[in-house]
Amino acid sequence: GAGVSQTPSNKVTEKGKYVELRCDPISGHTALYWYRQSLGQGPEFLIYFQGTGAADDSGLPNDRFFAVRPEGSVSTLKIQRTERGDSAVYLCASSPFSGIVYNEQFFGPGTRLTVL
Amino acid sequence: KQEVTQIPAALSVPEGENLVLNCSFTDSAIYNLQWFRQDPGKGLTSLLLIQSSQREQTSGRLNASLDKSSGRSTLYIAASQPGDSATYLCAVDNYGGATNKLIFGTGTLLAVQP
Repeated sequence: GAGVSQTPSNKVTEKGKYVELRCDPISGHTALYWYRQSLGQGPEFLIYFQGTGAADDSGLPNDRFFAVRPEGSVSTLKIQRTERGDSAVYLCASSPFSGIVYNEQFFGPGTRLTVL
Repeated sequence: KQEVTQIPAALSVPEGENLVLNCSFTDSAIYNLQWFRQDPGKGLTSLLLIQSSQREQTSGRLNASLDKSSGRSTLYIAASQPGDSATYLCAVDNYGGATNKLIFGTGTLLAVQP
């Protein structure tokens, strides 16, 4: 498929465990974003990559959250010592450009994380 | 700090009606405004993007307008259909240099009754 893909679609884990969420952006898109959506809310920005580097990680809630994009394509969001409050849908988006006026973001289906 | 508000939070209309969804934002220094559709348990589908220099965009039965100076946007849906039932989210592209991160409203849950 040509869209953004995310795996797994659902992840159930226990409090205190470590989880990794994967995002495959649209081929050729240089910009990649992670957002988190809690029930009944709009998505909230977590982190933005331009190429391989995290250009803006101001939305990460604390140091338990970390994300990488080593080759400028696939990205992994990593959460250490998960807490029940981390339960949410984690959305990934990509766009072909950044830093210019026109910048449409395309979203993946999300990973629903449940921390028991 | 940019804040985005959507009114109403929920809306139910009979099939065939025209309807308007509202979005307001507090900081007019934006790059773009984007409208999305979200079906239950799904990701976001981009509907329309309006650049800050534009006043409206149209796609099929959808028309989105932008009044940047007053901090408002509307999404007009003509001749609504049951398949239009979903949550509609608006988001502004925060004027933050190269980041282009989106700030979202909480959405309007639309139900179109057959």
